Amino acid sequence: AQKVTQAQTEISVVEKEDVTLDCVYETRDTTYYLFWYKQPPSGELVFLIRRNSFDEQNEISGRYSWNFQKSTSSFNFTITASQVVDSAVYFCALSDTGRRALTFGSGTRLQVQP
Amino acid sequence: NAGVTQTPKFRVLKTGQSMTLLCAQDMNHEYMYWYRQDPGMGLRLIHYSVGEGTTAKGEVPDGYNVSRLKKQNFLLGLESAAPSQTSVYFCASSSPEPNTEAFFGQGTRLTVV
Repeated sequence: AQKVTQAQTEISVVEKEDVTLDCVYETRDTTYYLFWYKQPPSGELVFLIRRNSFDEQNEISGRYSWNFQKSTSSFNFTITASQVVDSAVYFCALSDTGRRALTFGSGTRLQVQP
Repeated sequence: NAGVTQTPKFRVLKTGQSMTLLCAQDMNHEYMYWYRQDPGMGLRLIHYSVGEGTTAKGEVPDGYNVSRLKKQNFLLGLESAAPSQTSVYFCASSSPEPNTEAFFGQGTRLTVV
């Protein structure tokens, strides 16, 4: 069975601080896919990034960066110089190559104070 | 360019009533999913479909039924609603290609009283 753990339930930072959201996953598959989604207060789910198990390169997109480490089964997400608009719930998710359904973590609520 | 559309957006049901949630996608995706989101638990898979005419159970299927009569539509039914089914329901669709993301609808907030 697959499992995703986001141990940080809620994080509060002040604007311009850097913040890292942790994600640890469990799977028996050798091929799998990892995702981060953002859920702003309006409720929709916004796709942020996708990473497959073959690609351990870190990725940077503007103020966002992701650190994928197979050795520790982690896929952490860092926001640099956080902004109030980053306030949201962030979900890490894992999918297999079969049914392609997502197994979600419980989410981390990020509050960025002005 | 609608993507994934869920109907309705909000609904209040009385215990024992039935209803159907409709999900429609215009991306010609083969795979469709229904999830429920409860506080502190993330999203959990209810049922899914890998093609027209096929459905399968997810992790929390009890109390729900689904149908995929047309490729673009995936219906979620509650035959006899219970307060435990109060939740936010999300539909999603994806391509069979593994290295692609799922696209989500805007969610349906259901309250069973």
